[in-house]
Amino acid sequence: DTAVSQTPKYLVTQMGNDKSIKCEQNLGHDTMYWYKQDSKKFLKIMFSYNNKELIINETVPNRFSPKSPDKAHLNLHINSLELGDSAVYFCAAGTPYEQYFGPGTRLTVT
Amino acid sequence: SQKIEQNSEALNIQEGKTATLTCNYTNYSPAYLQWYRQDPGRGPVFLLLIRENEKEKRKERLKVTFDTTLKQSLFHITASQPADSATYLCARPHSGGGADGLTFGKGTHLIIQP
Repeated sequence: DTAVSQTPKYLVTQMGNDKSIKCEQNLGHDTMYWYKQDSKKFLKIMFSYNNKELIINETVPNRFSPKSPDKAHLNLHINSLELGDSAVYFCAAGTPYEQYFGPGTRLTVT
Repeated sequence: SQKIEQNSEALNIQEGKTATLTCNYTNYSPAYLQWYRQDPGRGPVFLLLIRENEKEKRKERLKVTFDTTLKQSLFHITASQPADSATYLCARPHSGGGADGLTFGKGTHLIIQP
């Protein structure tokens, strides 16, 4: 069973478009996260949600909006995509002491 | 801001030898540090957590140390194997801990040569 799943795996789109990435976890954890890994492989926290409530928004443009319909899901909506948004986005679930990451979504903006 | 520094250059080690990776942090000592492994095209996988008051933690062929004086953690893989080749990431709580996520270093790319 996949603990944290993301769809799609790859996403290629043009500048200005709006896209969404879905994330689901079957681990039963209250806290879910979104991370961004840039071309230099630097992994940075974007959002943290605990029990469907936003905990942190780490200086992310408001074009990015996470949505948590329930504890098992944390989706990421991105409006007006820009070239600089190209990266791999990872969803994670877990505790402060151990996190489980999804397989990542490679977003390419052309 | 809290930072994690790792040597992101590739580290080449001969199979069977011990690989040692370094993680340095800035400002105050975190309550704990975590180590993750990341393979190409995959998400990071949790390996070990070491708390501030622990000097050393072991798990099979892995050993992690935490030196608050040097502001450093060392990650050792003994009897290294080609399958250990991956990028290893060090992480600390992003801010005060809790549900704030993690601050990661850039990772060290480890290559174990047969």
